[in-house]
Amino acid sequence: AQTVTQSQPEMSVQEAETVTLSCTYDTSESDYYLFWYKQPPSRQMILVIRQEAYKQQNATENRFSVNFQKAAKSFSLKISDSQLGDAAMYFCAYRSANINQFYFGTGTSLTVIP
Amino acid sequence: DAGVIQSPRHEVTEMGQEVTLRCKPISGHNSLFWYRQTMMRGLELLIYFNNNVPIDDSGMPEDRFSAKMPNASFSTLKIQPSEPRDSAVYFCASTRGGLNTEAFFGQGTRLTVV
Repeated sequence: AQTVTQSQPEMSVQEAETVTLSCTYDTSESDYYLFWYKQPPSRQMILVIRQEAYKQQNATENRFSVNFQKAAKSFSLKISDSQLGDAAMYFCAYRSANINQFYFGTGTSLTVIP
Repeated sequence: DAGVIQSPRHEVTEMGQEVTLRCKPISGHNSLFWYRQTMMRGLELLIYFNNNVPIDDSGMPEDRFSAKMPNASFSTLKIQPSEPRDSAVYFCASTRGGLNTEAFFGQGTRLTVV
């Protein structure tokens, strides 16, 4: 089974600053999909951004962008101009192109300091 | 669209009792997943269905857990008998065909077994 590793259990960032959350994964597949989910205290899982492995261009969604390094199997999330509402648990997820499953990392708890 | 609907939102039960968690996936989605979230183990995939058929139940912790999907619009996760270590948040998620699509999560059921 594929494994997804988030090595930062906790991170903090000053409001308006930029923070990068790390994610690495292990796979032998060449085609797959990667996602970042946000889980605020309400516990609702919200999709932040997605990346198709066959695309070289890094995905961006407003203040959120990724740095996708396929050879290094790395998929980090950058949050620019951090806002108080960004405080949440962030999960990296891998979806296999061959098996209809999602594999999640253990999450990074992000604190935004006013 | 109402999204993935789970019930109940909270459940408190006594050890040994039967617990049934319910999920209504998004209409048109053909895959459904049950996850368990704990502080210690993060998000664990328990079982997933494709077109109402259980595909992988290797994550079901033991025989006390069972899941069914009698039709495309309803699934249950049952624990019988429940134990205190089953206390967790249980999520249901669904997704449609097309591997670049994300999993849509319900709001989860917080189960407490006392």
